[in-house]
Amino acid sequence: DQQVKQNSPSLSVQEGRISILNCDYTNSMFDYFLWYKKYPAEGPTFLISISSIKDKNEDGRFTVFLNKSAKHLSLHIVPSQPGDSAVYFCAASLSGDGANSKLTFGKGITLSVRP
Amino acid sequence: DTEVTQTPKHLVMGMTNKKSLKCEQHMGHRAMYWYKQKAKKPPELMFVYSYEKLSINESVPSRFSPECPNSSLLNLHLHALQPEDSALYLCASSQGDRDMETQYFGPGTRLLVL
Repeated sequence: DQQVKQNSPSLSVQEGRISILNCDYTNSMFDYFLWYKKYPAEGPTFLISISSIKDKNEDGRFTVFLNKSAKHLSLHIVPSQPGDSAVYFCAASLSGDGANSKLTFGKGITLSVRP
Repeated sequence: DTEVTQTPKHLVMGMTNKKSLKCEQHMGHRAMYWYKQKAKKPPELMFVYSYEKLSINESVPSRFSPECPNSSLLNLHLHALQPEDSALYLCASSQGDRDMETQYFGPGTRLLVL
């Protein structure tokens, strides 16, 4: 049973517009959430994270929103740029266990930003 | 600096070969991880080292043997692999002592088993 779901496999957006990538989770014990960006044949790059005590975290063009009651988070990229075209993974973990806090990944969303 | 380095970048090996993958970080992180990633799938955790001790082994076959010689280095020794072991092998590291750990990934080693 998938505990982190990214139900849309792909998203296409015009350059300059907003990209909204969604992620749902089923385990209500998760309390730390991360977004990673991945180019083909490269390792995932950490983008932004949010803990369950917050509902929003912003870093430059990237904002993550967390709705705990809906068990839903989203990554907003604005404005979108062609270089943002990549696979985006949502991940969740349980805090308080140091290195043993395993990341549970979603299947990823392929974002294409059209020039 | 959030850099994790991995060597080699690419590796082709036969099923009878013995090879090793190497990972290095100089961020003072005390937790290091090995993941396997197949195409169009998320990374799958294989092993976790915490303070140079193996803390998690996700039921990985014994043909994969991890080693952590010191807090900056992590190796993955490969022996008698199967073609289905062909994948991108990712190393990651994190602080190791935080409530909320952020893992930083290396670029990966693309492995092809013939």
